[in-house]
Amino acid sequence: DQQVKQNSPSLSVQEGRISILNCDYTNSMFDYFLWYKKYPAEGPTFLISISSIKDKNEDGRFTVFLNKSAKHLSLHIVPSQPGDSAVYFCAASVKDSSYKLIFGSGTRLLVRP
Amino acid sequence: EADIYQTPRYLVIGTGKKITLECSQTMGHDKMYWYQQDPGMELHLIHYSYGVNSTEKGDLSSESTVSRIRTEHFPLTLESARPSHTSQYLCASSRGPGTEAFFGQGTRLTVV
Repeated sequence: DQQVKQNSPSLSVQEGRISILNCDYTNSMFDYFLWYKKYPAEGPTFLISISSIKDKNEDGRFTVFLNKSAKHLSLHIVPSQPGDSAVYFCAASVKDSSYKLIFGSGTRLLVRP
Repeated sequence: EADIYQTPRYLVIGTGKKITLECSQTMGHDKMYWYQQDPGMELHLIHYSYGVNSTEKGDLSSESTVSRIRTEHFPLTLESARPSHTSQYLCASSRGPGTEAFFGQGTRLTVV
């Protein structure tokens, strides 16, 4: 059973517009959420995170929103740039001593010039 | 910039060979992880470590083994490679709760 779900395998957005990537989770024990960006044949690169005690975190063009009641988080990229084209993974941290991350299956973002 | 390194980046090897994938980090992190990823799929945790001499199996069953003799080093070994082991292997480390994990560049393994 997949605990972190990214239901949109791909998203295409015009340069300069907003990109919204969505993620749903099922485990109420998750207490920390992260977004990673990944290029083929490379390791994921950390983008932004949010603690479960917050509902919004912003870093430059990237904003993450958390809706705990809906078990939903989203990543907003404004304005989108062609260099943002990559696969974006949502991840959640388990509230135990391992601090392991559970990943979604990713959303491939294409930003068109 | 993350100081975590994986070697080799790419490996093509024959069935039945023993292989070791190397992972080293210079950040002094206690927590280290191995993930496996197939194209278009999520990253699956196959091993993790709390610290020296501590290793645990992850959520995805794997025929690989790991060791943690030094804080900075977390190698993964396959005693007898098979085509089903073909995948990308990603090593990561973190400081602990409420912090991000840093990933290496990965090893793309192909078993022929």
